[in-house]
Amino acid sequence: DAKTTQPPSMDCAEGRAANLPCNHSTISGNEYVYWYRQIHSQGPQYIIHGLKNNETNEMASLIITEDRKSSTLILPHATLRDTAVYYCIAPTGTASKLTFGTGTRLQVTL
Amino acid sequence: NAGVTQTPKFRILKIGQSMTLQCTQDMNHNYMYWYRQDPGMGLKLIYYSVGAGITDKGEVPNGYNVSRSTTEDFPLRLELAAPSQTSVYFCASSQLSTGELFFGEGSRLTVL
Repeated sequence: DAKTTQPPSMDCAEGRAANLPCNHSTISGNEYVYWYRQIHSQGPQYIIHGLKNNETNEMASLIITEDRKSSTLILPHATLRDTAVYYCIAPTGTASKLTFGTGTRLQVTL
Repeated sequence: NAGVTQTPKFRILKIGQSMTLQCTQDMNHNYMYWYRQDPGMGLKLIYYSVGAGITDKGEVPNGYNVSRSTTEDFPLRLELAAPSQTSVYFCASSQLSTGELFFGEGSRLTVL
């Protein structure tokens, strides 16, 4: 099963970059790293995913270390609407078995 | 295009009753998932399916059953409901190659 470690909470000032780390030392060689966020009690929202190379989309950037044992999600200019719980998913052995860890609660403040 | 539809949105059950949470998707996704989320906690995978006729246990399958007779539908059956099954249940689907899980709005279940 997937095993990820994330800090339970982080704060970020509005307009600053939010850097959210995730340790996934047990990830399998061919599995992607996925990031989701959950705002209040809504269903989680997909943010980004990557395999080896860094990825960027309109929401965020994903930096994956060369050994693939950890990654960092970057929200370049955090806003109050980015306050949410952020989950890193890194499957181990079974690509389709997507399990969520405990996540990081990001609080963006004025 | 409705995406992932879950019914019912809310339900109160008595201990020992049974019920089925319905989930259907119209995106022709092969992969479907059931998660539960207890208050203040993360999501726990109950069961998942990689295609019609194939299901697998997740992290917390006890007390639940699933079936996948069609690509579109993935119902979750609760037998002999217990207070510990009070939770919000989310269904999701994916075409795994894109990496994106699409979630339903959730079903809030209370067992008294």
